[in-house]
Amino acid sequence: DTEVTQTPKHLVMGMTNKKSLKCEQHMGHRAMYWYKQKAKKPPELMFVYSYEKLSINESVPSRFSPECPNSSLLNLHLHALQPEDSALYLCASSHAQAPPKTQYFGPGTRLLVL
Amino acid sequence: GQSLEQPSEVTAVEGAIVQINCTYQTSGFYGLSWYQQHDGGAPTFLSYNGLDGLEETGRFSSFLSRSDSYGYLLLQELQMKDSASYFCAPAYSGAGSYQLTFGKGTKLSVIP
Repeated sequence: DTEVTQTPKHLVMGMTNKKSLKCEQHMGHRAMYWYKQKAKKPPELMFVYSYEKLSINESVPSRFSPECPNSSLLNLHLHALQPEDSALYLCASSHAQAPPKTQYFGPGTRLLVL
Repeated sequence: GQSLEQPSEVTAVEGAIVQINCTYQTSGFYGLSWYQQHDGGAPTFLSYNGLDGLEETGRFSSFLSRSDSYGYLLLQELQMKDSASYFCAPAYSGAGSYQLTFGKGTKLSVIP
């Protein structure tokens, strides 16, 4: 199984809402990532979890709060977002004890903030 | 070292060969990956070079020269379905983990 799943596929939320994005993989990968991708731009790294611990936070605003409850799951909690946060949010996973030669990406959650 | 650079757009004819170049920063560099992304889709892994030289995977090949901080992706026998964005993604080490940095992407258009 080389699949990373993400839910929901699409999400529309207001600026006062609280929502969560979910990501799951069963490949035994111990590194998991959140990326943000705007239209016609490359994916931008937001967070890296290694062995369920946050190892990289790329200066992401606190309205984005990641959580890794176990080795298969990764969440991204959203609160008080801005319209400019509208983007495709991609989750990825890879082996942790090696450089990420191969990161497996989920299909993404397309987020619209109104 | 230089910043991460790759061409923004390339157009090629079906059946032809196209090469997408990439130059990257050297500090903390570990290896170079390439990803393909179709419009509306997620990035998918194509190839990785940890050592200098050529890696071949079917119609796709990738090359790395560490001394030149340079790599390329070579796509042969182009097909219409190869129309997509291609990202070079150097892997860097630091803070006890590794991370990828994605280039701005090269939009490849394959025409009949």
